[in-house]
Amino acid sequence: TQLLEQSPQFLSIQEGENLTVYCNSSSVFSSLQWYRQEPGEGPVLLVTVVTGGEVKKLKRLTFQFGDARKDSSLHITAAQPGDTGLYLCAGERKNSGYALNFGKGTSLLVTP
Amino acid sequence: EADIYQTPRYLVIGTGKKITLECSQTMGHDKMYWYQQDPGMELHLIHYSYGVNSTEKGDLSSESTVSRIRTEHFPLTLESARPSHTSQYLCASSDLGGREETQYFGPGTRLLVL
Repeated sequence: TQLLEQSPQFLSIQEGENLTVYCNSSSVFSSLQWYRQEPGEGPVLLVTVVTGGEVKKLKRLTFQFGDARKDSSLHITAAQPGDTGLYLCAGERKNSGYALNFGKGTSLLVTP
Repeated sequence: EADIYQTPRYLVIGTGKKITLECSQTMGHDKMYWYQQDPGMELHLIHYSYGVNSTEKGDLSSESTVSRIRTEHFPLTLESARPSHTSQYLCASSDLGGREETQYFGPGTRLLVL
């Protein structure tokens, strides 16, 4: 059973367009993280959100944690080819025995 | 920049060989993890450790074994590799005392078993 559902699975857009990717669950998380993974590399943390309704901005990237702490979104404004990669969300559940559950990821391609 | 290293980066071996994938971190983190990642699939946790002499199996059954004799080192061993073990293996670490579970990943080892 997939704990975290990410959508869309694939996204191909042109430079300058805006996009939003989603991470949804029926479970409540104490925190949720977004990672970006480039081909041949390990995931790199972009942001951690911990409070329901929290919004964090990282340059052109805006992250939001749902009020109920079950879902999150990542919005990219004016996408650039350097944004290309696999975006993974991961949820932390306290008392789960081990820490993070990962979604399958959204594979983003930004063409010039 | 995370200080976590994995070797080898790429490995092609024949069926039946014994292999060890190395993972080292210089951040003094207590917690370390091994994930398996296949294309289009989520990261699956196969082993984790809370510190020296602590090892646990993750949510994905794996024929591999791990050891944690030193804080900085968390090697993964396959006694007899099979083609079904072909995958990317990612090592990660985190601070046990951290407020949130932030995991730092190595670059991965891409394994191909012929």
